[in-house]
Amino acid sequence: GAVVSQHPSRVICKSGTSVKIECRSLDFQATTMFWYRQFPKQSLMLMATSNEGSKATYEQGVEKDKFLINHASLTLSTLTVTSAHPEDSSFYICSARRGYEQYFGPGTRLTVT
Amino acid sequence: KQEVTQIPAALSVPEGENLVLNCSFTDSAIYNLQWFRQDPGKGLTSLLLIQSSQREQTSGRLNASLDKSSGRSTLYIAASQPGDSATYLCAVSSQGGSEKLVFGKGTKLTVNP
Repeated sequence: GAVVSQHPSRVICKSGTSVKIECRSLDFQATTMFWYRQFPKQSLMLMATSNEGSKATYEQGVEKDKFLINHASLTLSTLTVTSAHPEDSSFYICSARRGYEQYFGPGTRLTVT
Repeated sequence: KQEVTQIPAALSVPEGENLVLNCSFTDSAIYNLQWFRQDPGKGLTSLLLIQSSQREQTSGRLNASLDKSSGRSTLYIAASQPGDSATYLCAVSSQGGSEKLVFGKGTKLTVNP
């Protein structure tokens, strides 16, 4: 149990376009999901906490108008990178909380050209 | 602000060797500590979770210890195998149930056949 999926696994988009990444908890309900970003050879950095039915909580330095988070159901959270730029190219990983543990998705590699 | 440091950054060992990975954190007021495994371009797999009241956890060939007062944890891997090759990440969550995980940069382990 406790499987989390992400879609797509890889995406390439042109600068200025928007891209949506989905995070799903497949076999449990998650009121709280988290979005992380990982640059090469760096640690995962928490971007925001996604709460079902309410607004996301963003970490300091993360632009909420650029990284739109929607947690419309207990099994789905989406991250939309708006007006993407090459510096947004990164590995985005989500996690879903069950009890006191977080279960991680396989990640999405975003490349902005 | 919590900071997590992992030493060494990279480690290469011959198959069969026992090894220790180190993790230190600056704020001892943690809720729990987790060790994860990350394969290249992939998401995270949780290996062991230690609650702040615990001293160690074991799973198969893995043993993780926690010394909260000194801000340290170790991950011991016995009889290493080539399949253990991956990056190992340490993460802590703060007291008060904030749920936020702060990650170290990881230790890249290579086990040579």
